Amino acid sequence: DQQVKQNSPSLSVQEGRISILNCDYTNSMFDYFLWYKKYPAEGPTFLISISSIKDKNEDGRFTVFLNKSAKHLSLHIVPSQPGDSAVYFCAAKTQGGSEKLVFGKGTKLTVNP
Amino acid sequence: NAGVTQTPKFQVLKTGQSMTLQCAQDMNHEYMSWYRQDPGMGLRLIHYSVGAGITDQGEVPNGYNVSRSTTEDFPLRLLSAAPSQTSVYFCASRGSTAIQYFGAGTRLSVL
Repeated sequence: DQQVKQNSPSLSVQEGRISILNCDYTNSMFDYFLWYKKYPAEGPTFLISISSIKDKNEDGRFTVFLNKSAKHLSLHIVPSQPGDSAVYFCAAKTQGGSEKLVFGKGTKLTVNP
Repeated sequence: NAGVTQTPKFQVLKTGQSMTLQCAQDMNHEYMSWYRQDPGMGLRLIHYSVGAGITDQGEVPNGYNVSRSTTEDFPLRLLSAAPSQTSVYFCASRGSTAIQYFGAGTRLSVL
């Protein structure tokens, strides 16, 4: 039973446009959400996160939106750059669930010049 | 500023062989974890540790052992490798926040 779902395996966007990556979850006990970016042959790197008490968090070109009622979050990248081409993982944890980050399967973003 | 260091980067084993994947962090993080990544599966938690001397199982612990004798090191042992353990393995650590920092990974093939 997949608790964190990224239903789009891939996404292709033109440079300068907005990239929107989506993530759905089923466990209402999740209280913290993270986005990781992964390049080939490298480990995942932390990108941005959001607590369940917020509905938006922004860091430069990256914004994460959380809709708790819909159990949905999204990562917006504006403007998209070719260097943003990578696999993006959505992850979630429950309150007090120390190490148990639950990951989605990832979305491969390609930003075309 | 090394962060999380994993060795080796690549390894090929024969079925039944044993090996240890090494993981070390220099950030004085209490929490460390091992994940595996398989095609189309995302990252799945194998084992984790909340401090020296304390370990616990994650989602897919079978076939793996861990120990945590120091804060810095968290080795993952495969006692008898199987083809199903062919994967990319990532070690991660975190401090007081929920953000985990990952190593570069070990790509393991079991023939």
